[in-house]
Amino acid sequence: DAEITQSPRHKITETGRQVTLACHQTWNHNNMFWYRQDLGHGLRLIHYSYGVQDTNKGEVSDGYSVSRSNTEDLPLTLESAASSQTSVYFCASSEWWKGEQFFGPGTRLTVL
Amino acid sequence: DQQVKQNSPSLSVQEGRISILNCDYTNSMFDYFLWYKKYPAEGPTFLISISSIKDKNEDGRFTVFLNKSAKHLSLHIVPSQPGDSAVYFCAASAGGGGADGLTFGKGTHLIIQP
Repeated sequence: DAEITQSPRHKITETGRQVTLACHQTWNHNNMFWYRQDLGHGLRLIHYSYGVQDTNKGEVSDGYSVSRSNTEDLPLTLESAASSQTSVYFCASSEWWKGEQFFGPGTRLTVL
Repeated sequence: DQQVKQNSPSLSVQEGRISILNCDYTNSMFDYFLWYKKYPAEGPTFLISISSIKDKNEDGRFTVFLNKSAKHLSLHIVPSQPGDSAVYFCAASAGGGGADGLTFGKGTHLIIQP
């Protein structure tokens, strides 16, 4: 069955370190997204991609970057982790023509 | 400025009765709306969607109603079941059918009482 996976599921890191969260989907979807979920904020869009070599900034993109070298993967990098980036991160994907997004299980990141 | 608002952080409903979850939006450019369900430690799961050209969409026990003039949508679950206990997120997109990402509300925690 097609699926979307995220790794690691839990990560603890220190302020200032670079961190990369992985997202892999086997739906063969063109569109991929990264969101973060914080108490009192729901889910907020960080970055998204329409396809290989395409990336776009979302609502809360500062301090994050993504790259898309193939259809299946959209890794999210925190260049220099900050305590404000402690959150649960969700990756999602969708067909280019459909709005319904399929979400991964999430990565809980703690920055100390 | 919150563009999608779910003003009820929690809702408790008796099993077998109707659950009504509400959502308001402020951005008149939103033309596609979705509801997601989320269990703890899992990703959100798509439930049902509605385009702005419709005012109702039904899928089994789930019905979404859209009132464009009031910028309001609601999710009805009939009958409510114990497995429906979860956090429900309303989401919206402006053009592109969601390809530019979704704007989410803060969620409503639905509790189904036996």
